[in-house]
Amino acid sequence: EAQVTQNPRYLITVTGKKLTVTCSQNMNHEYMSWYRQDPGLGLRQIYYSMNVEVTDKGDVPEGYKVSRKEKRNFPLILESPSPNQTSLYFCASRANPNTEAFFGQGTRLTVV
Amino acid sequence: AQSVTQLGSHVSVSEGALVLLRCNYSSSVPPYLFWYVQYPNQGLQLLLKYTTGATLVKGINGFEAEFKKSETSFHLTKPSAHMSDAAEYFCAVIASGYSTLTFGKGTMLLVSP
Repeated sequence: EAQVTQNPRYLITVTGKKLTVTCSQNMNHEYMSWYRQDPGLGLRQIYYSMNVEVTDKGDVPEGYKVSRKEKRNFPLILESPSPNQTSLYFCASRANPNTEAFFGQGTRLTVV
Repeated sequence: AQSVTQLGSHVSVSEGALVLLRCNYSSSVPPYLFWYVQYPNQGLQLLLKYTTGATLVKGINGFEAEFKKSETSFHLTKPSAHMSDAAEYFCAVIASGYSTLTFGKGTMLLVSP
């Protein structure tokens, strides 16, 4: 089954403790992205990747890092999480620039 | 630059009534347009998409949308609402030649019996 898998689904952490949210897709897609969803703000892109070792900033990259060492994986790293990073995070993948995105189930992160 | 405006953060309809969710986009080049639906505690699911060709696009669950270039709109409609349609709906745009998928802020559809 074609899918985008994120882990974990839920995470509660403390300020400053490094964390990684994993994302994996099995569709051999070139493009992968991370979004955060906040009430009233819709989805805002954090980072995206056009291919292995090629990444670029989205609209809200501050406080986040990504890497794309393999085509299927695109982890999101929070080196020093802060409470304003409490949000619902989605990973998505696309076959090429002009096609629809496929989304993971989301990761609800709470930073206390 | 590209952007999406969804009019109305909440839309309420009665079961059986027409659903109309409004989306206007801004793009300097021909756009690719999408509608997604999000049910509670789930990811986003594609409802329909416009890339090229026919401007009236049919999607899943009886939804359809019409691309109107002169109005820069891509409104989502369904003739008769069902309780199961209650969800949040997002309009999104990709400007041709660019790689960024930009979303609107979403419209929550509430369906009453």
